[in-house]
Order: sequence, then C-alpha cells, then structure tokens
Amino acid sequence: GAGVSQTPSNKVTEKGKYVELRCDPISGHTALYWYRQSLGQGPEFLIYFQGTGAADDSGLPNDRFFAVRPEGSVSTLKIQRTERGDSAVYLCASSLGSGGAGGKTQYFGPGTRLLVL
Amino acid sequence: AQKITQTQPGMFVQEKEAVTLDCTYDTSDPSYGLFWYKQPSSGEMIFLIYQGSYDQQNATEGRYSLNFQKARKSANLVISASQLGDSAMYFCAMRDDPGGGYNKLIFGAGTRLAVHP
Repeated sequence: GAGVSQTPSNKVTEKGKYVELRCDPISGHTALYWYRQSLGQGPEFLIYFQGTGAADDSGLPNDRFFAVRPEGSVSTLKIQRTERGDSAVYLCASSLGSGGAGGKTQYFGPGTRLLVL
Repeated sequence: AQKITQTQPGMFVQEKEAVTLDCTYDTSDPSYGLFWYKQPSSGEMIFLIYQGSYDQQNATEGRYSLNFQKARKSANLVISASQLGDSAMYFCAMRDDPGGGYNKLIFGAGTRLAVHP
C-alpha cells in the first residue's frame, strides 16, 4: 500500500513569506506526527495529532508555526513570516496509534526541504 | 530528561562484512522502546527494528539485529553481510511516553555508514 506522502518535496521562499506543507498519512493511521530535521542533526518533534485534534504541540518553536488536520487524515503545517532559521527538512510520520509496539511504530514520509532565503 | 547518544559520526565497512553502530540512552522510565531508522540520501526515514524495554530477547529483522544491554543502557545496531545499499545515515531513537496513549520519538544525532566494495 501507499506510504506517507508529503508535498511539496522542495520549497524555496523568501524571508517573511507564508508557507504550507502538506502530509498525507498511511490510510487507517490515526496518529500523525510532524518533526523538523536541521542539517546534520536528528529529527526533532514538533506536534502530534490523534484524529483531528492536536494532542501535543509542545515542540512547535513559536506561534509562527501552526498545524491542522481537519478531517483526521491529511495534515498541513503552516509557517507564517518565515525566517532563515526555519530552513530545514520537515518530516511527517504516521502510526496506528495503538496496539503495542507494532501500533506505535512511526512510518515517515520523504520530507519537505524548506529553504528560506 | 530522555536522551539518545550516538558517538560515531561516521563508520566505514567493507562489503559483506558486519558492522556495529553504537547507541546509548538515558531515561528514568521503566517502560520504553528503542528504534533504529535508516535515512538514505533521498531523505526518507526507513524503520528498521524495534526493541521494547521488557523484551527478553534481542530483536532481529533479517540482516539487522539489536544488541540490547539494559544495564549498560545501550542498544547497538548490528548489520550483518553489509551491502552497498546499506550506505546511509542511521538514527537511533527512543520512544517517549508522555501519557495519553501516544509516543513521540527522541532521536540521536545519527551515524553515517559508508560501505566500500
């Protein structure tokens, strides 16, 4: 079956602009996660959705970052007034959300490479 | 706070030989899970193997095995019979269970593996 998909694969924008990054999880996965990976580092947690609600947004760096998942499937990460420091790879992952280790394993998409000039 | 440490920025191995990638972790929780992911140059994080803290035996998945030493808080990944396609970044991650039935992952900095013919 299809894995996690993310669009666009690359995004170049100018400082101060608004961007939206989209994630389409594996069908049937109720849990959805966003991570950010800066160059040379491991991914860092941003936000988690269970269904439509953001259950944990403690990783969002500031109020310029916001994410939604209105129908419990596709999610959009929104960044306002982008800054050069926002440049990174934004990874989305999904999991079944329950059911032991197998249900908790997160499967990642290919990421969106964001470059803020 | 939970932490993952990968002390090897880069590793080299000859094709068909085995290689061990180190991972140590720190947590005060009695229940936790450890994951290894592979990230090729394409950027996608590929799930390799999982070890639960209460699992009696070391996890194995094909050519991948996890050398879990609980007392030493280490979870090293062993890749047997290395192949050229194994060249990639490898990340060790720990499952953080903040409650609410979900988990977010805490990643190490990664190890870049290069397989030579």
